Amino acid sequence: DIQMTQSPSTLSASVGDRVTITCRASQNIGTWLAWYQQKPGKAPKLLIYEASSLESGVPSRFSGSGSGTEFTLTISSLQPDDFASYYCQQYNSYPRTFGQGAKVEI
Amino acid sequence: QEQMVQSGAEVKKPGASVKISCKASGYTFTNYYTHWVRQAPGQGLEWMGIINPTGDGTSYGQKLQGRLTMTKDTSTSTVYMELSSLRPEDTAVYYCARDGAMVRGVLSAFDMWGQGTMVTVSS
Repeated sequence: DIQMTQSPSTLSASVGDRVTITCRASQNIGTWLAWYQQKPGKAPKLLIYEASSLESGVPSRFSGSGSGTEFTLTISSLQPDDFASYYCQQYNSYPRTFGQGAKVEI
Repeated sequence: QEQMVQSGAEVKKPGASVKISCKASGYTFTNYYTHWVRQAPGQGLEWMGIINPTGDGTSYGQKLQGRLTMTKDTSTSTVYMELSSLRPEDTAVYYCARDGAMVRGVLSAFDMWGQGTMVTVSS
């Protein structure tokens, strides 16, 4: 199985901050990587697919980059609605695997 | 509008089975794979398996092999997930999620999720 490792696990930030979350894959997954946002009590929401493509309706302050085994999610200017948990997921192979999550808190 | 609506919360005793439904609407059910993902309280996301809406294709994660069964009813655009021999550690929110690989022609992330179904396993 491909292991996905996110860092940091928790991130304290303020409104307006630039935030970066890293995701590492245990083997080459090309650009078959997605980022999801999850708020308490809600289902995950797709933000980024194919490592850098913005899902329709997602604000442009979210961006993704990387390929192979190293990936990043960046929020250019943190907004109050962005305090949530973020998960990366590889969909290069089965089983689909997720990172352990990164919680962005005030 | 496009949506996936899941059945309601369940409380089960250890050793019992649970069957959760996920009904698709607003899109062509047979054009999209459906995955199941679960999340234990305070924990991360765990992929469980995938069902092909056409034919009999399913693929399950190794951890749940032997206890997990996914089925579908194309006439009602509904997918079912049944987990047997329940244990307290199966307590989790269970989500169905849509995969557009068939439509897009390439590997696909999960672009739509059901609202989640809480399953509590307790004696």
